Amino acid sequence: EPEVTQTPSHQVTQMGQEVILRCVPISNHLYFYWYRQILGQKVEFLVSFYNNEISEKSEIFDDQFSVERPDGSNFTLKIRSTKLEDSAMYFCASSPSDYLDEQFFGPGTRLTVL
Amino acid sequence: AQTVTQSQPEMSVQEAETVTLSCTYDTSESNYYLFWYKQPPSRQMILVIRQEAYKQQNATENRFSVNFQKAAKSFSLKISDSQLGDTAMYFCAFMKLHSGNTPLVFGKGTRLSVIA
Repeated sequence: EPEVTQTPSHQVTQMGQEVILRCVPISNHLYFYWYRQILGQKVEFLVSFYNNEISEKSEIFDDQFSVERPDGSNFTLKIRSTKLEDSAMYFCASSPSDYLDEQFFGPGTRLTVL
Repeated sequence: AQTVTQSQPEMSVQEAETVTLSCTYDTSESNYYLFWYKQPPSRQMILVIRQEAYKQQNATENRFSVNFQKAAKSFSLKISDSQLGDTAMYFCAFMKLHSGNTPLVFGKGTRLSVIA
């Protein structure tokens, strides 16, 4: 059964460094999402992406964040200058269409900022 | 803005018994969907069950069923005949009904342990 995959599973970085988290959504899906979960807190929506552009973003998704679909398979989240408070689990998700279709989640990337 | 609250951070249940996980939400929307997602240890979140707010009948999926009380804004998950494989983190989530994709709003989750 097709799955969303994410790499790496764990990323450790120094404060101020740039990180790129990678996701491979399910191949025929059209909508892509990033969520994050700070330890002990709720899973929070960051951004959704459709047709090569951001369709919605939360207040968390500030200028330090960007997303890209550089080719036909990858979907990336870049954090330009990481802060300690960016330490969290980042989940990628995809869905085949809009209008309440199920979102399929990846296993997550644990980002630790030192 | 919508909020989802799961008041039980952890629960445990004996194998073959029934357990109910609680979820309440707050919204001014009249049309929306509610979901329960399961995240086994070190695995992806997967959808367990969904409920359309306009449907009065409670959704069921095999051993999983919900008790949806729209007026009370309550959406509990009942797991019958619990199995060891049900051990996971369970997230309640809300999605407003809108054209185009809309983000999920999650609760903090309930960690369920099924004990042999």
